[in-house]
Amino acid sequence: DAGVTQSPTHLIKTRGQQVTLRCSPKSGHDTVSWYQQALGQGPQFIFQYYEEEERQRGNFPDRFSGHQFPNYSSELNVNALLLGDSALYLCASRSRGREQFFGPGTRLTVL
Amino acid sequence: AQSVTQLDSHVSVSEGTPVLLRCNYSSSYSPSLFWYVQHPNKGLQLLLKYTSAATLVKGINGFEAEFKKSETSFHLTKPSAHMSDAAEYFCVVSGRDTGRRALTFGSGTRLQVQP
Repeated sequence: DAGVTQSPTHLIKTRGQQVTLRCSPKSGHDTVSWYQQALGQGPQFIFQYYEEEERQRGNFPDRFSGHQFPNYSSELNVNALLLGDSALYLCASRSRGREQFFGPGTRLTVL
Repeated sequence: AQSVTQLDSHVSVSEGTPVLLRCNYSSSYSPSLFWYVQHPNKGLQLLLKYTSAATLVKGINGFEAEFKKSETSFHLTKPSAHMSDAAEYFCVVSGRDTGRRALTFGSGTRLQVQP
């Protein structure tokens, strides 16, 4: 079992650009959540997807959007990148009522 | 709204001595509480969780935590630190305040273990 996988591992973008991050959930999991972890801080909840719909959203602007595919994998899209979007982006997956498993994250640097 | 406060941003102990990482929580409802550990360049790993069963929760790698409602605390302890315990630790709360879907993380405590 590969666990939760994320791609790419690292990414460098410039202000104003758009970025897409990808997540494959652990086998048997159908729910995917995304978190943003700024340097020196705890992760912050962005949103959660279940049955290809956004079920809950944290306090993030509309520049942050997502998608879940029929195979339960997910994408996080960020438009009009700002310097403050530089962070580690974590994906977590779970099956209903069970604990969340986290991936290793994608390190995004915005210059 | 629910929240957690980790009282120490950095804790340093000697190998073989006890570990205490402190966490206070705030929640309007009976919360679920967790401790996660994050090693460099690795994903977050669940150490233990409290979900209104026994107040003393045992986790992996010898860690345990006690839920004290009167003190709104959920401190993490380990009797004897090992070098491999050096990492960032997060206290986490989940509950009806956030629809039970979102995890709310504390700011983290960096544990340093001296030889």
